[in-house]
Order: sequence, then C-alpha cells, then structure tokens
Amino acid sequence: DAKTTQPTSMDCAEGRAANLPCNHSTISGNEYVYWYRQIHSQGPQYIIHGLKNNETNEMASLIITEDRKSSTLILPHATLRDTAVYYCIVRYTGNQFYFGTGTSLTVIP
Amino acid sequence: GAVVSQHPSWVICKSGTSVKIECRSLDFQATTMFWYRQFPKQSLMLMATSNEGSKATYEQGVEKDKFLINHASLTLSTLTVTSAHPEDSSFYICSARGTSGRAHEQYFGPGTRLTVT
Repeated sequence: DAKTTQPTSMDCAEGRAANLPCNHSTISGNEYVYWYRQIHSQGPQYIIHGLKNNETNEMASLIITEDRKSSTLILPHATLRDTAVYYCIVRYTGNQFYFGTGTSLTVIP
Repeated sequence: GAVVSQHPSWVICKSGTSVKIECRSLDFQATTMFWYRQFPKQSLMLMATSNEGSKATYEQGVEKDKFLINHASLTLSTLTVTSAHPEDSSFYICSARGTSGRAHEQYFGPGTRLTVT
C-alpha cells in the first residue's frame, strides 16, 4: 500500500471549514483513499473513502486530485467535537489498514 | 451501522500474569479481525490479522507466543497477553471486517487500556 504524508497538526476556528491535506504520490490505480479519525482514547471512526471521484457524506467531503497524488478532507463546519487525530490511509480493497502519524486537528472556540 | 465491542475497556494486572481481551462484532459476522496496539502520543500499530478458524498472521516484530490470538467464531476474537510486563502497557484496539462484499469497511472497537504494574 502507498505511503501517505500529512501535516502533524492544524488549527481551525469553530464554525469554519477544516481542510486537511494528504499526499500520496505513489498511489496506484486500484488503491483507495480512506479517512479515519480518532478522538482521544477511543477507537478510530470511519469518515469517508474514495477512488477517483470526489465524495461527500454527512460527515465530510473528500476531494481527490485528478492525478490522485493528493487529497483533501473537508469538514464544512468544524465543531469542538471534531478535535481529533485524522488519518489518511491508502490501501487496496481487502488489505489491512496501516496507520501513519495523522494530523492532530484542534478546533478553537 | 456495524458495532464492534471490546471487553474489558480497561484492565490493570500484575507483572507476570496473563490478560485476555475480547473483541466482538455485535451485529455482523466478521471473517477477519485485526489487532492494533497504540502507545501514548503514537499512531496505531497493526499487530496481527486473524481469520476465523485459522491461525493469525503476525506483523514483523510482534511475538506470536506472547500475544496469543484466537478467532474461534465469526463474531469473537480474543487477544491474550501472556506473562505481561510493564512495557506491554498500552491501548489495544481491535477491528473487524464483514463477510459481505463490503471489503472497504473496517469497524473499530473502542479499545482496551492495559496497565501492567
């Protein structure tokens, strides 16, 4: 599975959009991009995943560049409860999830 | 949505004893379950992959004789930390993948915090 690179930490004002970037320049054609988050001392929570097209669900939007070498997770209206570590993972369907260091997002009141 | 539970949520044990952690898929059948370990301020590290009815596959560097994994049914996997030592103190998290065509989805348990004194 391809490696991912994420900023170590980010801040976002409450109510504003949080844009979390992820680089995955070695991604191959059949690998999906997944986003999970982990709130302190809890298990990871699934957010969204995609292959080529942009995706949106009730939690977030996922924007994947045309060359698929990077993606951005967008939380449209960040709340204090969105403070967590966000993990971007690239994997083939059915493979294990290997977690990188993630981005620690702090939503500021 | 699919729910994965872990028991206990936290445990304190003495050095040299063994501790068993259970992972259950509550509303779906899981042919494959995964065990992770997470030290403070670090990311999750995959320890092993277990398939129902077969031996677990351990990641490099994980001692299979120390971390015994059993996946005897489609809804239950157990991790036993044998002869625990203080350095085994960690947050242990399991996840499960369903039997349907939803290979994308992997559901995580809430974690078990192990403290070895």
